[in-house]
Amino acid sequence: AQSVAQPEDQVNVAEGNPLTVKCTYSVSGNPYLFWYVQYPNRGLQFLLKYITGDNLVKGSYGFEAEFNKSQTSFHLKKPSALVSDSALYFCAVISTGDSNYQLIWGAGTKLIIKP
Amino acid sequence: SAVISQKPSRDICQRGTSLTIQCQVDSQVTMMFWYRQQPGQSLTLIATANQGSEATYESGFVIDKFPISRPNLTFSTLTVSNLSPEDSSIYLCSVDVFGYGYTFGSGTRLTVV
Repeated sequence: AQSVAQPEDQVNVAEGNPLTVKCTYSVSGNPYLFWYVQYPNRGLQFLLKYITGDNLVKGSYGFEAEFNKSQTSFHLKKPSALVSDSALYFCAVISTGDSNYQLIWGAGTKLIIKP
Repeated sequence: SAVISQKPSRDICQRGTSLTIQCQVDSQVTMMFWYRQQPGQSLTLIATANQGSEATYESGFVIDKFPISRPNLTFSTLTVSNLSPEDSSIYLCSVDVFGYGYTFGSGTRLTVV
């Protein structure tokens, strides 16, 4: 079965420190990978995606993610965290082996950046 | 990317009534998706709505409870019928315009009392 795992319910980082939000996946075909952010009482905002090409993907607000095929991971990173980065982050995947091309969502990781 | 206008942003409804949520997209899209999200939780796909055909519902969701309309390529509605407190949730619509990314509406926070 296709799945996405975000192993950490919550990540706490001090402002100015680097942050990592982890995501691993299991799909039958090639993956299309996405990160979304949800601020309190707001809808989901697209951060970045990996479809093909360079394994390091740069997205909005200074975030980046690295696709690692051997480890089936797509961790979200930022070199220097801001308090305003505090939000709920979702990893999602589409499998090219799924004819429905349905998004499969991780459970979400709450990121808390402390001043 | 597409811009979605979702209404209402929130509502408080009585048990047994219904709420209809609207999503308007600023471009034509083939598929629209409806999700449910408990606060702080992940998203659960309710159904996929294609223009001109019946929506495709995911396991656990039925048309009688969640009727969907898709009259054209820019608009869709989701109705949550015969409301109970268990229906209290956030409902989101989403579209995939360019094939590789999804845009979401701002969500409708439903509270059933």
